Amino acid sequence: DAEITQSPRHKITETGRQVTLACHQTWNHNNMFWYRQDLGHGLRLIHYSYGVHDTNKGEVSDGYSVSRSNTEDLPLTLESAASSQTSVYFCASSRSGYEQYFGPGTRLTVT
Amino acid sequence: QKEVEQDPGPLSVPEGAIVSLNCTYSNSAFQYFMWYRQYSRKGPELLMYTYSSGNKEDGRFTAQVDKSSKYISLFIRDSQPSDSATYLCAMSVSGGYNKLIFGAGTRLAVHP
Repeated sequence: DAEITQSPRHKITETGRQVTLACHQTWNHNNMFWYRQDLGHGLRLIHYSYGVHDTNKGEVSDGYSVSRSNTEDLPLTLESAASSQTSVYFCASSRSGYEQYFGPGTRLTVT
Repeated sequence: QKEVEQDPGPLSVPEGAIVSLNCTYSNSAFQYFMWYRQYSRKGPELLMYTYSSGNKEDGRFTAQVDKSSKYISLFIRDSQPSDSATYLCAMSVSGGYNKLIFGAGTRLAVHP
């Protein structure tokens, strides 16, 4: 069955370290998204991509970067992790229309 | 002011109750309205999707959109303990290339 996976599921890192969160989908969707979820804020869009080599900034993109070298993967990189980036991160994909399929999430703690 | 406002709850109801979940929004350009359900420690999943105004029914779930009031609702009839989850509303403008704006989510608990 087609699916979307995220790794790692849990990560603890130190302030200042570079961290990369992986997202892989097997639906062959063109559109992929990264969100963070914090109490009281719901899901906020970090970056998104409409296809290979296309990336766009979302609402809360400072301190994050993405690259899209193939259809299946959209890794999210925290260049220099900060405590304010402690959150749950969700990756999502969609073919067209407005239904997005979400991964299981990565719980990141920055100490 | 956030573009989409949603009461975070928590909302606690007995099994069998009718549940009403609501969101208000400020951007009159929103045309697509969705409700996602998120179980604890899981990713959200699409529950209902409505275009423009009106009602949509799917089993025990009814979604309503009132664009004149910038107000959307999700009703759950005959609520079950398995409905206990966080419900997030989401919206998008027409032609918005799938960018969704989410509410903060309302946590619902249905107790037997």
